[in-house]
Amino acid sequence: KNEVEQSPQNLTAQEGEFITINCSYSVGISALHWLQQHPGGGIVSLFMLSSGKKKHGRLIATINIQEKHSSLHITASHPRDSAVYICAVRLDATSGTYKYIFGTGTRLKVLA
Amino acid sequence: EPEVTQTPSHQVTQMGQEVILRCVPISNHLYFYWYRQILGQKVEFLVSFYNNEISEKSEIFDDQFSVERPDGSNFTLKIRSTKLEDSAMYFCATAQASGSNEQFFGPGTRLTVL
Repeated sequence: KNEVEQSPQNLTAQEGEFITINCSYSVGISALHWLQQHPGGGIVSLFMLSSGKKKHGRLIATINIQEKHSSLHITASHPRDSAVYICAVRLDATSGTYKYIFGTGTRLKVLA
Repeated sequence: EPEVTQTPSHQVTQMGQEVILRCVPISNHLYFYWYRQILGQKVEFLVSFYNNEISEKSEIFDDQFSVERPDGSNFTLKIRSTKLEDSAMYFCATAQASGSNEQFFGPGTRLTVL
């Protein structure tokens, strides 16, 4: 079983729709990243969370530490939001390591 | 806005050859990371580096791999004798501090081993 699970794996939406991508993890973490990977392969960091909620433009990220769950929301989606969205967690001391573990990503396609 | 840069963008090499992938971190960043993404698979942690030594490495990072900061600016990943299965995208990331500090990713180097 993957320590970081994302859902859905693939998502197609119409322009303007509200989108939610979920990330669940089964390990102790010190931080969670949401990353965006463009078709060319480049990775951009969107958010880093250790608690609560963050907002940047049309993107909102939330994390519930007790439930070991995070969500990434995109409001008023646009075709340029089409990318793979990756959840990555930084393990904490309980795991004996501080390395990052990545989810398999959610491939989002927004249609005009 | 400062950014992490990587060279080359694409490297093609023959099996058994040595390759060096280079990363220039953001100037005030002290923590450096290498990640690998095999085509169609998820990103995997390779190694973290701080204060001129490896902080942590994964099981992927075997004796064929090494990292260094040869001149205090570049951060390099060397693969001593490449194998076909080393073909992947290699990403460098840097952070100002460890822990909850955000990592900034470079654009990646696509390594193709023939």
